[in-house]
Amino acid sequence: DAGVIQSPRHEVTEMGQEVTLRCKPISGHDYLFWYRQTMMRGLELLIYFNNNVPIDDSGMPEDRFSAKMPNASFSTLKIQPSEPRDSAVYFCASSNFRDPTNEKLFFGSGTQLSVL
Amino acid sequence: LAKTTQPISMDSYEGQEVNITCSHNNIATNDYITWYQQFPSQGPRFIIQGYKTKVTNEVASLFIPADRKSSTLSLPRVSLSDTAVYYCLVGDSNSGGYQKVTFGTGTKLQVIP
Repeated sequence: DAGVIQSPRHEVTEMGQEVTLRCKPISGHDYLFWYRQTMMRGLELLIYFNNNVPIDDSGMPEDRFSAKMPNASFSTLKIQPSEPRDSAVYFCASSNFRDPTNEKLFFGSGTQLSVL
Repeated sequence: LAKTTQPISMDSYEGQEVNITCSHNNIATNDYITWYQQFPSQGPRFIIQGYKTKVTNEVASLFIPADRKSSTLSLPRVSLSDTAVYYCLVGDSNSGGYQKVTFGTGTKLQVIP
């Protein structure tokens, strides 16, 4: 398996523009997570899905952020409109928690977002 | 949600053993302890996981005392490539089938030649 695949790797946009980040989880994983990492706040969990259904979006900072998972192999995180304070690295991770003794998160390489 | 506390940074010379201790005083009975490693410009990567006593794999060892209120990640004979941030995580068993975990600040390990 190629692992968790995120695109784009880097995104530079101007304030006010819509940004869409994409993630392909590892095949067979039933959990998908979106994290944001900044120097100030570290790694923050934004939202996670189980079997394509959003379970906990309490970490989503504002209504400008939305996430979808239309099928088991694809998820998007959208920011509309984007603001400079949204600049961060956004990670997608997936996992299979059916085995409670093997609760690993598998992370993608991240999307470096810069909002000018 | 079990909170973890670990040193912000550590320095070590190549070839030495490094021990990073994590404190998790309010760990729940069903919680597992997991460590991740993160290199610059990459996502965190699973290193090791344990429940009690000692766990060893090809990368590291994890020591957990009987009270489970702390754990120690041990990296034998570190090399420059072990320079990374190391995170200690403890699951939240109240979240049901999935243990919601929170990444703390991590420990930035700098290996010196």
